[in-house]
Amino acid sequence: DAKTTQPNSMESNEEEPVHLPCNHSTISGTDYIHWYRQLPSQGPEYVIHGLTSNVNNRMASLAIAEDRKSSTLILHRATLRDAAVYYCILPNSGAGSYQLTFGKGTKLSVIP
Amino acid sequence: EPEVTQTPSHQVTQMGQEVILRCVPISNHLYFYWYRQILGQKVEFLVSFYNNEISEKSEIFDDQFSVERPDGSNFTLKIRSTKLEDSAMYFCASSEFGSPETQYFGPGTRLLVL
Repeated sequence: DAKTTQPNSMESNEEEPVHLPCNHSTISGTDYIHWYRQLPSQGPEYVIHGLTSNVNNRMASLAIAEDRKSSTLILHRATLRDAAVYYCILPNSGAGSYQLTFGKGTKLSVIP
Repeated sequence: EPEVTQTPSHQVTQMGQEVILRCVPISNHLYFYWYRQILGQKVEFLVSFYNNEISEKSEIFDDQFSVERPDGSNFTLKIRSTKLEDSAMYFCASSEFGSPETQYFGPGTRLLVL
């Protein structure tokens, strides 16, 4: 998988927007950018994915830089339930590999 | 909303014993996976399964591990002779044919080997 770099931790106040960055300067043209999160004591949870255009779903938005070397996961209004470890992953699906390689991710703390 | 289920939620076993961890993937999914997470460490890929055969496996997935889809709904992970270092959370995941990287994870089985 292409390497990703994320901050170890971030804090946000409840009900404020959160921007979680990810750098992936070695991304290839066919790599999708996936975001997952893991709430405490739970399994990973799919959040969102995209290729080139910005994407929105009910959980979050994904903003992808024009050169695709970075992306930002946006939580529009953080809630206490959003406190989790967020992972930015680029599966090597172009080579037929669908395994997800989880790094350390960004631990998001939400302050009431 | 459909979800992946796993049983048991907790399993305690003695070193050297066999364990079988069970998963029921989402019903229309065709790709199945096992991952594990040792306490305090990263989530690690073990194996993927498609069309009744293993499609990928990691170095962790050695001869002590096997997977099976015994019927149309269950997906199992067997560890033949457990070691202390097999103690971990084991997560099953599944995904649709058209989007295999979008994986839906179960709640996990916590395995403790004594």
